Amino acid sequence: DVKVTQSSRYLVKRTGEKVFLECVQDMDHENMFWYRQDPGLGLRLIYFSYDVKMKEKGDIPEGYSVSREKKERFSLILESASTNQTSMYLCASSPQDGTGRRGEQYFGPGTRLTVT
Amino acid sequence: AQSVTQLDSHVSVSEGTPVLLRCNYSSSYSPSLFWYVQHPNKGLQLLLKYTSAATLVKGINGFEAEFKKSETSFHLTKPSAHMSDAAEYFCVVSPDRDSSYKLIFGSGTRLLVRP
Repeated sequence: DVKVTQSSRYLVKRTGEKVFLECVQDMDHENMFWYRQDPGLGLRLIYFSYDVKMKEKGDIPEGYSVSREKKERFSLILESASTNQTSMYLCASSPQDGTGRRGEQYFGPGTRLTVT
Repeated sequence: AQSVTQLDSHVSVSEGTPVLLRCNYSSSYSPSLFWYVQHPNKGLQLLLKYTSAATLVKGINGFEAEFKKSETSFHLTKPSAHMSDAAEYFCVVSPDRDSSYKLIFGSGTRLLVRP
C-alpha cells in the first residue's frame, strides 16, 4: 500500500515563527501536493511538485513556500506564521500521468497547525 | 471554469437505510469525477472514480455513483448504511483534460449514521 507520512499530527506555533511541515511518500510517485483543509471550504491546493526541484503554485500560495530536494520528500514552509494559517494541512502524492490512474491521489493523515 | 457543488453539508441516516450524497459539477467538457472519503483522524481515501467509461461506477465498501451528463450530477449512493460509513465525503472534479494533477474539491458532506 502507498504510504504518505507527515512529520507531525499536531503542531502549535507562535505568530512570526518559521514553520516546516514535512511529508514523505514511499511509492516513488512523481507528483506531490500540499493542501489546506478548512471547514466548509473543502481542500484548497497550496503548491504541487511534479518532479524534484520543480514546483508550481496552486490556488492559495501566498504566505507559503515549498521545497523538494528528493523525490520522496516534499516540505511546506510558512516563512512567518500568522493566525490565519491555523488549519489542517494535508500532503498527497500521485503517480505520473499516463499510468491510467488519473486523479488518484494518496493522502497523509494531516497536520493540524495552530498559530497563536 | 470547472467547479463542483455538494448540495448538503450534513446528511443523517439510520443504520441499514439507503445513503444519498448529492454532487453537481460544472465543466466545459466531459470531466473526470471522483468521490473521496475522510474518516476521523485519517487522510482522504479514493472511494471511486468516473473517467468516461461506464456511467455507473462501483467503488469500495458498497458505494456507487452514477454520472448523469444531462443533469450534470454525480451522486453517491449506498443501499444500506453501516456505522463505519460515518465520515466526510468529498466530490472532486479533475478539470484539466491533459493532466491529472489538479483536483477541485467540493466543500464536503458529513455523513452521520444513527444506530
